[in-house]
Amino acid sequence: SAVISQKPSRDICQRGTSLTIQCQVDSQVTMMFWYRQQPGQSLTLIATANQGSEATYESGFVIDKFPISRPNLTFSTLTVSNMSPEDSSIYLCSVKSGNQPQHFGDGTRLSIL
Amino acid sequence: AQSVAQPEDQVNVAEGNPLTVKCTYSVSGNPYLFWYVQYPNRGLQFLLKYITGDNLVKGSYGFEAEFNKSQTSFHLKKPSALVSDSALYFCAVRDINFNKFYFGSGTKLNVKP
Repeated sequence: SAVISQKPSRDICQRGTSLTIQCQVDSQVTMMFWYRQQPGQSLTLIATANQGSEATYESGFVIDKFPISRPNLTFSTLTVSNMSPEDSSIYLCSVKSGNQPQHFGDGTRLSIL
Repeated sequence: AQSVAQPEDQVNVAEGNPLTVKCTYSVSGNPYLFWYVQYPNRGLQFLLKYITGDNLVKGSYGFEAEFNKSQTSFHLKKPSALVSDSALYFCAVRDINFNKFYFGSGTKLNVKP
């Protein structure tokens, strides 16, 4: 299965600032996704990162707040903009190719002060 | 719409005893069902999947799951629990039309020595 590296693993940020999370995969993958997970809770899909075009956002998530880039088949970034304490969460990158199951990075644990 | 439900927030079992983590699903069309496990400070790890074929699916770490179409269930099982199995378990269903995964609320498994 693909090896997924997600950076940073954790961060503590001031409200009003922005943080960019990186997701690097060791092989080319068809699809990349970004999820949010409140500690001990389920996952909520933020968006599907599309190579070379705008990401596809789920209801309740907008590009201005969560801009996403995917310049190639192995890399994507998620930015959490103008952060507030409500954005404190775990952000997870996942990838999928063909009939393989979805695989996840270890996540970024974000706390906003 | 596709969805899965995990009726138990927490399951407690003694080491060596069999364990069951419950999942029911609601899908239109054929179900594509998955189980993932999450250890502390880690992303989700794939355990097993059901696409078609035998109703009993075997996966990683000695886990298996039984697909029951009449009861719309996909319960995760293991004949003999280990303390190291203690983790958060997620059931998921894949919507093949939109290539999305929907995750259950998660079940915390506690295996006591």
